Amino acid sequence: NAGVTQTPKFRILKIGQSMTLQCTQDMNHNYMYWYRQDPGMGLKLIYYSVGAGITDKGEVPNGYNVSRSTTEDFPLRLELAAPSQTSVYFCASEASGDYGYTFGSGTRLTVV
Amino acid sequence: QQQVKQSPQSLIVQKGGIPIINCAYENTAFDYFPWYQQFPGKGPALLIAIRPDVSEKKEGRFTISFNKSAKQFSLHIMDSQPGDSATYFCAAGGGATNKLIFGTGTLLAVQP
Repeated sequence: NAGVTQTPKFRILKIGQSMTLQCTQDMNHNYMYWYRQDPGMGLKLIYYSVGAGITDKGEVPNGYNVSRSTTEDFPLRLELAAPSQTSVYFCASEASGDYGYTFGSGTRLTVV
Repeated sequence: QQQVKQSPQSLIVQKGGIPIINCAYENTAFDYFPWYQQFPGKGPALLIAIRPDVSEKKEGRFTISFNKSAKQFSLHIMDSQPGDSATYFCAAGGGATNKLIFGTGTLLAVQP
């Protein structure tokens, strides 16, 4: 069982470039989440999904987009990268309603 | 009302000491309070969690104390070891959503 897999692990983007952070889980979890982690700020929720075809904004959604076409995949899209999006991004999943989040190992993104 | 306040920001203890990390919340609809442990370069991992119908929960050397009236909960690590050195996040969830709200994290260093 791979759990939650995130790719890439590291990425450097130039201002204005776009990219997609990939997240895949093999646990058949309905709920999936994207968080960003900044020093001293904890984990802030960007977007979440309660099932295929359903997504909703979290606390800090500006500058990001998501889609959920399958149960397994929940990619996060950055359209016009800005230095403020330099962060570590974590994807997580859980079975419906049990709060037992499983996190991926993260993507460290630097925007220069 | 959605915030979870965590303290201290960092903590240094000697091996065998009992570090205590505290969290406070405002939203009385929260009904699930987990603690996550994160090692450098890894995603957070669920350590222990409590529901508000009990005042204490122990799992091995880790104990959550919960004070419903004060809206506070804390993590105690008994007989701490250098391998416990990590960042610890408290979180709260419940009410109308399955989303977890995370504290800002505590960096714990256990010195040999």
